[in-house]
Amino acid sequence: EVLLVQSGADLKKPGESLKISCKASGYSFTSFWIGWVRQKPGKGLEWMGIIYPGDSDTTYNPSFQGQVTMSADKSISTAYLQWSSLKASDTAMYYCARRLSSSSRVFDLWGRGTLVTVSS
Amino acid sequence: SYVLTQPPSVAVAPGQTARITCGGNNIGKKSVHWYQQKPGQAPVVVVYDDSDRPSEIPERFAGSNSGNTATLTISRVEAGDEADYYCQVWDNNSDLYVFGGGTKLTVL
Repeated sequence: EVLLVQSGADLKKPGESLKISCKASGYSFTSFWIGWVRQKPGKGLEWMGIIYPGDSDTTYNPSFQGQVTMSADKSISTAYLQWSSLKASDTAMYYCARRLSSSSRVFDLWGRGTLVTVSS
Repeated sequence: SYVLTQPPSVAVAPGQTARITCGGNNIGKKSVHWYQQKPGQAPVVVVYDDSDRPSEIPERFAGSNSGNTATLTISRVEAGDEADYYCQVWDNNSDLYVFGGGTKLTVL
């Protein structure tokens, strides 16, 4: 079965670091771009950036550049999103999603999301 | 940066047709994708590349795109269609992906 399995919910304090994961199965991890999408409580979808696990080529939404780091580990088919110093405003659901292809830039497969709560 | 504009809400009675629009500058020249998101769930693609439909999505869901407006049309609306719907494009000028603000579909 083709799946993206995301890590579980996390509760952190402001200033703490965090790395959440997105593990792919059922397809060739290195052949598809993986995007990250933020959804704040009660709000819409925001595209954060995208990474190609084959060579870790990454494009960030300028709104998130410098705020987060995307990475991927081909050996375990896992993509990561990390923060070095969380803020309360980072509280949100974070989704990873697979991009279908360069000719169809739709996100056709989504993880269930990781809820990140940042509170003192 | 490229902006997609959706109405915040659309309401229709069961069995009627819902039309959800997505406005953008010359959006007709881009490929538009539509996602359905039900409460507590991840988004699901219902239409991609303007008008294609994943095999598991009912034919009641259809997309069109021309000029400055793309439209998701849901025919014979059912209670189970109640959800938030988002349009999305890739802006080739900036190499960035953009989502619309989302439209809440209410089935009366």
